[in-house]
Amino acid sequence: EVQLVESGGGLVQPGGSLRLSCAASGFTFSSYEMNWVRQAPGKGLEWVSYISSSGSTIYYADSVKGRFTISRDNAKNSLYLQMNSLRAEDTAVYYCARALYYYGSGSYPRPFDYWGQGTLVTVSS
Amino acid sequence: SYVLTQPPSVSVAPGQTARITCGGNNIGSKSVHWYQQKPGQAPVLVVYDDSDRPSGIPERFSGSNSGNTATLTISRVEAGDEADYYCQVWDSSSDHSCWVFGGGTKLTVL
Repeated sequence: EVQLVESGGGLVQPGGSLRLSCAASGFTFSSYEMNWVRQAPGKGLEWVSYISSSGSTIYYADSVKGRFTISRDNAKNSLYLQMNSLRAEDTAVYYCARALYYYGSGSYPRPFDYWGQGTLVTVSS
Repeated sequence: SYVLTQPPSVSVAPGQTARITCGGNNIGSKSVHWYQQKPGQAPVLVVYDDSDRPSGIPERFSGSNSGNTATLTISRVEAGDEADYYCQVWDSSSDHSCWVFGGGTKLTVL
C-alpha cells in the first residue's frame, strides 16, 4: 500500500525556518517524481514545488522561489521541503504528492495520484 | 502566468448530472487533470489527461476539453460526490514552468 506521511509542521515566527519531511513507503520511491502542494485555511490548492525522480530537475512556484528548497533522499525514501524566511501567507497545510508514473506517453509532467494527509505550518508571532 | 477559472459553486439534485467548468486561454491545447477534495481529507485524482480515469474512480466521472473550456461531468450524482473540485494544468513557457490549479468549485448535492 502506498503511504506518504508528512512531518515537521508547527508554529514558527515570521522570518523563521522549518523543514518538512515526507516519508514514503509501499512503492519504489526513486522511480517517481514528487511534489509539495499547500492549502491555506479555507482556501484552494496551491502547488509549491516539483522534483524529478533523480532530483536533477526542480521547479518552484514564484511565491516561494528563493525561500524554499525541495530535496529528496532516495536511499531513505524521503522527500523534504526546507522553508526559510517564512511569512504569514505561508500558513497552510502542506501536502506531499506523488506523480503518476510516466511510461513515455501522455502529458508530462504527470498529475498527482497519491497524497499524504498533510502537515500544518502556522507562521505567526 | 496562466489562470484557470472555475465557478465557486455548483448545485445539483441527486441522480442528475453535474458539470463543472474550468476556463483558461486555449486550455484545449493542454492536458487537464481534476481532483476531488472532501472536508478534512487530502485531494483525490478523479480525471487525468482530460478524460482518463484512475483505477477505482467510477465511470460516472468523465472529462472533456476543447477551446477555452475544460469540463468535469459527474453523472447520476450521489450525496457522496459532495466535495470541492479542482482543475489543474502544467504551464510551461520560455522562462517559467509550473503547475496551476483552478480556484476550486464546491459541489452541493441538494
